[in-house]
Amino acid sequence: DGGITQSPKYLFRKEGQNVTLSCEQNLNHDAMYWYRQDPGQGLRLIYYSQIVNDFQKGDIAEGYSVSREKKESFPLTVTSAQKNPTAFYLCATGGQGTPGELFFGEGSRLTVL
Amino acid sequence: GNSVTQMEGPVTLSEEAFLTINCTYTATGYPSLFWYVQYPGEGLQLLLKATKADDKGSNKGFEATYRKETTSFHLEKGSVQVSDSAVYFCALSSYSSASKIIFGSGTRLSIRP
Repeated sequence: DGGITQSPKYLFRKEGQNVTLSCEQNLNHDAMYWYRQDPGQGLRLIYYSQIVNDFQKGDIAEGYSVSREKKESFPLTVTSAQKNPTAFYLCATGGQGTPGELFFGEGSRLTVL
Repeated sequence: GNSVTQMEGPVTLSEEAFLTINCTYTATGYPSLFWYVQYPGEGLQLLLKATKADDKGSNKGFEATYRKETTSFHLEKGSVQVSDSAVYFCALSSYSSASKIIFGSGTRLSIRP
């Protein structure tokens, strides 16, 4: 099946720990994005990547890191420097179609205990 | 800069009622406009889109018309169903910043049987 796979779906972390959220796609899309969603709020862009080995900070990059070593993969690390990491994290891809037409994974819910 | 403003929720309607969710935008140039839908616990899905003025996007009984004169892209459906209960996001992208899609804050819709 073509699509975007995020894992894990649920993750619990103790304060002070780094965690990595996985995002894998087989849509052959160049662009990949990470968004954060808090309850009752819209989406905020964390990082995005337009091509392998290149990525840019979004609006709320502090406390997060990413890598883009393969076209298919764009993992997000939530570091201990992120002061309020409990949130729903969404990975998305964008292809050669209309700019802004994104395909989303099902999300990963991170809870800090 | 570019921005999207959509009506605050929650919006609660009875089944078979007429739905309108307002969305207005501010953008330079000629952005593409989108409506995304998010069902509980899931990622976002593209519902419909319009890429130029006077275009009408439609899908699953939902419609929205790109009105440049009023900078609006209101979502409508003639007869809602319980299964339409979800959060709806208006979004825009422009060629000047195609990598940064601007999302509205979302409108939660609840349909009563």
